[in-house]
Amino acid sequence: DAGITQSPRHKVTETGTPVTLRCHQTENHRYMYWYRQDPGHGLRLIHYSYGVKDTDKGEVSDGYSVSRSKTEDFLLTLESATSSQTSVYFCAIRSGQGKGYTFGSGTRLTVV
Amino acid sequence: TQLLEQSPQFLSIQEGENLTVYCNSSSVFSSLQWYRQEPGEGPVLLVTVVTGGEVKKLKRLTFQFGDARKDSSLHITAAQPGDTGLYLCAGHTNAGKSTFGDGTTLTVKP
Repeated sequence: DAGITQSPRHKVTETGTPVTLRCHQTENHRYMYWYRQDPGHGLRLIHYSYGVKDTDKGEVSDGYSVSRSKTEDFLLTLESATSSQTSVYFCAIRSGQGKGYTFGSGTRLTVV
Repeated sequence: TQLLEQSPQFLSIQEGENLTVYCNSSSVFSSLQWYRQEPGEGPVLLVTVVTGGEVKKLKRLTFQFGDARKDSSLHITAAQPGDTGLYLCAGHTNAGKSTFGDGTTLTVKP
């Protein structure tokens, strides 16, 4: 039983449409993160949250927004999907800075 | 921006061989972690090292943190096909910043 789940696992969407990815945790961890993973770029931080309604930008935040209205849920929204946002998206949680991340199983997003 | 360079990028070996993966940076980290990722899944934490010179062992895996806390290595003894996967290192600073390396893809052939 995973403490963190992502939905959907796979999605194909058209350019210009909005897309929302969901991350749900049952660990009551304060910190939640959205990363994207692309060949040759490793894991890059999109946005993170350090509490309810407390979020901040990562290194590749352009074109993305996030919301955290409850401790357990962290949503990532692509306002208007572009082909460059085709990627595998991972949500992660951790109990504190310097602690290990627990990652979800990922969402494979294809923008056509 | 801290950079973490992993080498080699790809490694293909026979079962029973030994191997070492490296993670290097010019930055000092307060801690460093190693993860293993299998296809279609998220990375899974293997170990955290926090003290310069620290060595940790996890069965056939040996992790070392450099004395200056700028680099780390992962050594696998007698590799098995089950060790196949993407190995990622991640460095963390006292300011709360984390940086991931691009990973080493390991294939162990039976």
